[in-house]
Parts: sequence; C-alpha cells; structure tokens
Amino acid sequence: KNEVEQSPQNLTAQEGEFITINCSYSVGISALHWLQQHPGGGIVSLFMLSSGKKKHGRLIATINIQEKHSSLHITASHPRDSAVYICAVGGGADGLTFGKGTHLIIQP
Amino acid sequence: DGGITQSPKYLFRKEGQNVTLSCEQNLNHDAMYWYRQDPGQGLRLIYYSQIVNDFQKGDIAEGYSVSREKKESFPLTVTSAQKNPTAFYLCASSMMRQNIQYFGAGTRLSVL
Repeated sequence: KNEVEQSPQNLTAQEGEFITINCSYSVGISALHWLQQHPGGGIVSLFMLSSGKKKHGRLIATINIQEKHSSLHITASHPRDSAVYICAVGGGADGLTFGKGTHLIIQP
Repeated sequence: DGGITQSPKYLFRKEGQNVTLSCEQNLNHDAMYWYRQDPGQGLRLIYYSQIVNDFQKGDIAEGYSVSREKKESFPLTVTSAQKNPTAFYLCASSMMRQNIQYFGAGTRLSVL
C-alpha cells in the first residue's frame, strides 16, 4: 500500500510570501491529487497530475515521477489561502490514499 | 448545478443506535466512495462502489454498511458495532476508470 508523507504539517506565513508544500509517496502511481479543505470541512480538488507541472491562478503544482515527489506552490499568498492542503495518490475505481494534510495559515 | 450533496451536515448518535448518512450525486458518475477523517489523520476509505448493486470494503469497513440501489445514491449506515463513530465523513464520486474525484461537503458525526 502506498505511503504518502506531507511536509510541513503546519505552516504559518505572512501575506505575500511564496509558499511550498511537499508530498512524497512510496509506490509508483498514475496520478497525484492536490486537494484543499476549508475550515468548514468541504474539500475541493485543485489539481490532478500525472507528469510535469500545472498552473491555476496563483497555484502551481509540480510532480517528479522518478523521485516520487510533488510540490504545491502558492505565489503572493493571501489570508484566504488559509486552509488544509492534502496530497492524495492513486485513484480509479478503488479510491485514493491521502496524506495527513498541511495546515496553512496566512497572516495579514 | 451538478454536484454531490451530503446530509445532514451535523448528526448525533446515541449509544447502540444506527444512523444513516446520505450522499446523492447528479454528476452521472459511476463510482462513489465513503471516507472517514479523524483529527491529525489522513482520510481513510470505508466503502466504495463502482456500479449499481455492487460495493467493496475499503480499509476500515468494520461497523459500517452501505447500499447502492441507485446510481445517484450511496448511503452509509454507521451501526452500533462501530465503537468509535465520532468523525467527519466525506462522500466522493468519479467517472469509471477516471481519477478525478469530486467531494461532498461532509457530515460531522458525534456520539451523545
């Protein structure tokens, strides 16, 4: 079974800072997901990656399949980016394996 | 709007009682999933279903039951056999053989 490790577990930064969240996994995969969970609990899918890099607004996700590693970057961070960011791998018909999440707080 | 609807948002269970969490989707997705989230832990898979009238146990199925009588609906029953039911429960769905999963808003279950 795949093991998914995220770092850091908690991150507090000032508004405007460049944020990096890391995810490593133990077994080769076909896809990696980055999810965002807001304080109310609802989860939104941010990215699904199988190779390379994707960008959406101020969010950038990269994956290195050989290194079994992915990063999520937030440029020009804002307090509304405060959330838990979750890395998940696998998928298809039998579900995902999730990391424990990174709790991000952006202070004004 | 297409999406996944979970209800209720908050649910309380008495000792020895079964409770059922609702999950409905209008995305025409084949596969549906139930996850449990505990503080400080990643989401864990309880049950999943790839097709109507069929479902499989996930990693932590003990004390739970599901049904999939309709494509749109995948209710989860937390039985009295589940000794530690207090958690946040998330339902998700995806197209068959595709990886993108769409999540509901979740149900927070507590024991009285």
